[in-house]
Amino acid sequence: SAVISQKPSRDICQRGTSLTIQCQVDSQVTMMFWYRQQPGQSLTLIATANQGSEATYESGFVIDKFPISRPNLTFSTLTVSNLSPEDSSIYLCSVRPRTNYGYTFGSGTRLTVV
Amino acid sequence: SQQGEEDPQALSIQEGENATMNCSYKTSINNLQWYRQNSGRGLVHLILIRSNEREKHSGRLRVTLDTSKKSSSLLITASRAADTASYFCATDGTARQLTFGSGTQLTVLP
Repeated sequence: SAVISQKPSRDICQRGTSLTIQCQVDSQVTMMFWYRQQPGQSLTLIATANQGSEATYESGFVIDKFPISRPNLTFSTLTVSNLSPEDSSIYLCSVRPRTNYGYTFGSGTRLTVV
Repeated sequence: SQQGEEDPQALSIQEGENATMNCSYKTSINNLQWYRQNSGRGLVHLILIRSNEREKHSGRLRVTLDTSKKSSSLLITASRAADTASYFCATDGTARQLTFGSGTQLTVLP
């Protein structure tokens, strides 16, 4: 199965700033997924990132707040912009190597906004 | 948004006992998957059951799927302290993306 390197593992950021999270996959994958997990909650899909096209955002998430880049089939970044304390969450990237296979997740980025 | 609910929300058992978690979902699925998350880290894939399967085993894990009731259960037998974690079911449907349940926090007491 694929292996994902996600960075940073944690960060503490000031309000109003931005944080960019990187995910590097050890194999080429068509789609990468970005999730948010608020404290004590389950995972919510932010967007799906395809190489060469704009990301597809879920209801409640907008590109201005969560811009995503997908320059090639092994790499993606998620930026959380104009941070507020409500953005304090764990952010995870994920890939699905093949249909009817389990998804692989990065180790997560724990963001705290102060 | 979450696909459905899991119950119980929290479960505390003694080492050696079995743990059962249930998951309900709302829409048609291609498969249903179970994941474990330790202390807010990344998720680890445990087991996948396809929509045309009813039961599947993997080591100490047994998962069932009832598509008529849109429900699944995960059984962990002979639990260990290291099984302490959050467990999530997730459905993989026509949208080709995972939708997660609300999760069960399992605590296994030594």
